[in-house]
Amino acid sequence: DAGITQSPRHKVTETGTPVTLRCHQTENHRYMYWYRQDPGHGLRLIHYSYGVKDTDKGEVSDGYSVSRSKTEDFLLTLESATSSQTSVYFCAISPGAAKNIQYFGAGTRLSVL
Amino acid sequence: AQSVTQPDIHITVSEGASLELRCNYSYGATPYLFWYVQSPGQGLQLLLKYFSGDTLVQGIKGFEAEFKRSQSSFNLRKPSVHWSDAAEYFCAVGVPGAQKLVFGQGTRLTINP
Repeated sequence: DAGITQSPRHKVTETGTPVTLRCHQTENHRYMYWYRQDPGHGLRLIHYSYGVKDTDKGEVSDGYSVSRSKTEDFLLTLESATSSQTSVYFCAISPGAAKNIQYFGAGTRLSVL
Repeated sequence: AQSVTQPDIHITVSEGASLELRCNYSYGATPYLFWYVQSPGQGLQLLLKYFSGDTLVQGIKGFEAEFKRSQSSFNLRKPSVHWSDAAEYFCAVGVPGAQKLVFGQGTRLTINP
């Protein structure tokens, strides 16, 4: 998985609790992305980062925040988890000079009860 | 905004048969085009990519794809499928310079023995 580690791999939580997912890369790539995968929707971009402390929203950013304090780490936070955020979350990285090629982590399966 | 359509949600083929997965995109110019494969419980792996030039591109695992500008299509093909090809396949488009990808909904491939 191209030097990408997502943690945790599985998480079950309750509605209203905060949740943080971590993506760690060892490739020193500039760009990092968070997607969610849901049946019938493919992958949808939540947030992405183009450098340390530089982030921007994707198409489904409501209810999510991100932070990137180091090149290698990109955190996705659900401030108050809802059942609609039950999904599989993927982190991806890209060197930025490679014409949009992205490399994906193994995913985090999140269940909000 | 660009979009990607994969018309077939689920395809079943027999082992040894040929395969074609369809992908149509909407974008005003020529985008970057990708096919990714996702095995159950795994992240996405890049199969092949098209940036420019020769419209027939070769990828890993014996797959190829053909870019047809007149049809806004980038269909994935394999002459003879193996049971290990059972997976979900995603087509994606990238806008040059935008450093983001838009994914189709995915096509799930089942292989009959």
